[in-house]
Amino acid sequence: DIQMTQSPSTLSASVGDRVIITCRASQSISSWLAWYQQKPGKAPNLLIYEASNLESGVPSRFSGSGSGTEFTLTISSLQPDDFATYYCQHYNNYPWTFGQGTKVEIK
Amino acid sequence: EVLLLGSGGGLVQPGGSLRLSCAASGFTFTTYAMTWVRQTPGKGLEWVSTISNSGSSTWYADSVKGRFTISRDNSNNTLSLQMNSLRADDTALYYCAKTGRHCTSSRCRGHYGMDVWGQGITVTV
Repeated sequence: DIQMTQSPSTLSASVGDRVIITCRASQSISSWLAWYQQKPGKAPNLLIYEASNLESGVPSRFSGSGSGTEFTLTISSLQPDDFATYYCQHYNNYPWTFGQGTKVEIK
Repeated sequence: EVLLLGSGGGLVQPGGSLRLSCAASGFTFTTYAMTWVRQTPGKGLEWVSTISNSGSSTWYADSVKGRFTISRDNSNNTLSLQMNSLRADDTALYYCAKTGRHCTSSRCRGHYGMDVWGQGITVTV
């Protein structure tokens, strides 16, 4: 199985900060990667698919990049609504696996 | 509005069975692959199973293979997960989700990112 490792596990940031979350795959997954945002008590929400494609309706301050084994999710200017937990997930082959999550907290 | 409404969770004894259902609306259900994902505080998000748009292909996590069965009723826009031989470590919040993988009779396009999620169904074993 492909292991997905996110870093950091927790991130403290202020409104307006540029935030970068990293996701590493244990083997190449090409660009078959998605990013999700989850708020407490809610289902995950798709932000990015195929590593860099912004899902419809998602603010343009979110962007994704990378291919192979190294990926990043960038929030260009953190907004109050962005404090949440973020997960990466590969769909290169079965079984699909998720990263352990990155919690973005208010500094 | 695109909506997935889950039902069927509850409390069950180890070794017991439950059937989860997910009613879809607001999109052409028959053309999208569908998925179940579960979440626990300790293990985070875990992919459980995926079914193709036609239902002819299914895939399972090793942790549930042989015990869980995913199915779909395209005439009633319903996704199901039959869970047998339940164990304590199956306790989780279960989500049904639509993928972006769209297939017609002639071609498939889109991605397997999960773009619509149900509200979550609690299963306690």
